[in-house]
Formats: sequence, C-alpha cells, structure tokens
Amino acid sequence: RKEVEQDPGPFNVPEGATVAFNCTYSNSASQSFFWYRQDCRKEPKLLMSVYSSGNEDGRFTAQLNRASQYISLLIRDSKLSDSATYLCVVNFGGGADGLTFGKGTHLIIQP
Amino acid sequence: SAVISQKPSRDICQRGTSLTIQCQVDSQVTMMFWYRQQPGQSLTLIATANQGSEATYESGFVIDKFPISRPNLTFSTLTVSNMSPEDSSIYLCSVNKGLYTEAFFGQGTRLTVV
Repeated sequence: RKEVEQDPGPFNVPEGATVAFNCTYSNSASQSFFWYRQDCRKEPKLLMSVYSSGNEDGRFTAQLNRASQYISLLIRDSKLSDSATYLCVVNFGGGADGLTFGKGTHLIIQP
Repeated sequence: SAVISQKPSRDICQRGTSLTIQCQVDSQVTMMFWYRQQPGQSLTLIATANQGSEATYESGFVIDKFPISRPNLTFSTLTVSNMSPEDSSIYLCSVNKGLYTEAFFGQGTRLTVV
C-alpha cells in the first residue's frame, strides 16, 4: 500500500512567521523522501530532499522520523513568495515505480 | 538536474479524438514516467515508460486508453485516446536520473476536452 497523507490546509500565515507541515507515509520500507513546491498552473519543482539526519537549506528545514513514519517541513521567516502548494513525496521502492505524491498543503503568506 | 521539454503546453480537444503529448529530455535517462494531475488534486502516476518494451501501467490505467512510446532514452510520447471531458487534466512527464533520487518534471500539458 502506497499512501502519503498531508493536511491540505490552507495555512494562512502572516509574513515573517514560522510555519510547519507534517506528512505521514504508509510503508516503513520507504527509501527516499522529498518536499516539492508547486505554484499555481506550474509543474512541481524540488524544494529539498529529506535525509535521515535532517537537513536545512536557508530558511527551510526538513526532518524525517522513520519510527513514526512522518516527515516535516519548517519554514522560518516566511516570505510572500513562499505562498504555494507544498507536496510531500515518497519513493516507496527503488525508483522504478515512480514517486507517490501527497495531495499537498496549500500555504498562503499574508502581508 | 535534467531539462525536459514537453509539448504541447495546452490544448482544447473535441471528445472522441486523441492527443499525443511529447517529452524530450536533454540527456539519456533510464526512468521516465507519465503523471496526471486533475483539478485541485495531486499527481497520480499513469505509467512508467520503458525503453524498448511496453510501458508499465498503474492500476486504473490501460494501454488502449493511454498508449505510450519510448523509442530511445531521451524521448517518450503519451497519447490520450478517445477523449472525454473526464480526461481534462494536466499531464506531466517526469524523469529520475537514478534510484532513490528526485524527479524532474516537464512543464506539463493542460488538456481540456469539450
């Protein structure tokens, strides 16, 4: 079973605030994890990969909890340009099967 | 990374007709995939395009409706056959450059069936 669950939101957050999303996945043997960003009417673009030790890229921090089967994304000092849909993505096994996408979390940063 | 050119970017088609979408990659890749994204929904994998053999379809998708070609390691086509309004969606070509790695996407084809 391949399932990726996300809170669809929308999350309405004031500019400059910190916001966090979680995502749960169904298969403990999952191999790789990603956060993608999708702007309206555009294709998804990789925001960051998620590593077991957690990783940070500027204002963005991703963490993986294999025991509880969830990943998280933290955005600090949010900008208006962060408004988008954030897709949690899991590779359940080997890449040859493609990726499984969550339904996305819609984020709106308000001035 | 990979640069993926997908066309057409959009089309409006009559029901009962077929549309072929092309996907060209700037380098050889083993794994190419076709996804569908219906309005307000996330991406659903249609099939894996295999070079030199028949595509591998996900549950709910069949070759007669979505024939796929993969003549070489840089190119693939997806045909949406005998279209109905329910096929109105965005269709996305995607590639992975290795196992467990991220996917890169074409710009998508926005299809409207009237």
